[in-house]
Amino acid sequence: GQQLNQSPQSMFIQEGEDVSMNCTSSSIFNTWLWYKQDPGEGPVLLIALYKAGELTSNGRLTAQFGITRKDSFLNISASIPSDVGIYFCAGQLRRGSTLGRLYFGRGTQLTVWP
Amino acid sequence: NAGVTQTPKFRVLKTGQSMTLLCAQDMNHEYMYWYRQDPGMGLRLIHYSVGEGTTAKGEVPDGYNVSRLKKQNFLLGLESAAPSQTSVYFCASTSELARGWNEQFFGPGTRLTVL
Repeated sequence: GQQLNQSPQSMFIQEGEDVSMNCTSSSIFNTWLWYKQDPGEGPVLLIALYKAGELTSNGRLTAQFGITRKDSFLNISASIPSDVGIYFCAGQLRRGSTLGRLYFGRGTQLTVWP
Repeated sequence: NAGVTQTPKFRVLKTGQSMTLLCAQDMNHEYMYWYRQDPGMGLRLIHYSVGEGTTAKGEVPDGYNVSRLKKQNFLLGLESAAPSQTSVYFCASTSELARGWNEQFFGPGTRLTVL
C-alpha cells in the first residue's frame, strides 16, 4: 500500500507555542487532508487541500499542499490545552478514484502543557 | 442526524470466538469503510463497500469478512478471533455529495481485546 511518512511522532509543548507537523509520500497525491482524533473518539476532518501550492486556514490551523504534490504541512498557532490529540494526514491518489479511498499517516501525538 | 454509529463500544473475546461489529450511518452515503487502528500504525483499511451488496478488500483483509445487505449498514465479522486482532476498529462513510470523495465521516470506534 501507499506509505505516508508523518513526523514528528509526538510533540510535547507549552500552551501558547506554535506547532508544525508534516507528511511526505513517495507518490503524488491529488488531495491531502488533515484529521484530528480526540482520546476515545473517531477522527474528525480539520482541513482539506485540493490544489498543489494551496494554503488553507481553519481558525488557528493552517495547512499547505506541497508544490511537488508529495507532501503537506499543518501548523497550529498559539496552542491551547484542547489541541491535545492525535493528528493524522491522509492522501488520495486521484480525486474520485479508488472509490474515495484514503491513505493515512501514522499520526502525530500532541501534548500541550498548561 | 446521528452520523456514523458503531456497536458495541467495547468487547473482550477469547481466541477462536466469533463476533460481528455493526456500523450504521444515516447520511445516505454510498461508500463505507472499516479501519483498524493500532498504536503507532495509524489507520489501516480492512474492507470497504461502494454500495449495497458490494464489498472489496483493503490493505489488511485477512481474518475478516464484511457484508453490506442494506445501504445504511456495514458489518465486520471475525470468524475465529486471534490476539493479533486486538485493536480499535473504526467505521467511516462518504458520498460523492460530501464535498467530493474526500471527506470521510468516522464513527466513535469499537475497542476489541482478544485474549
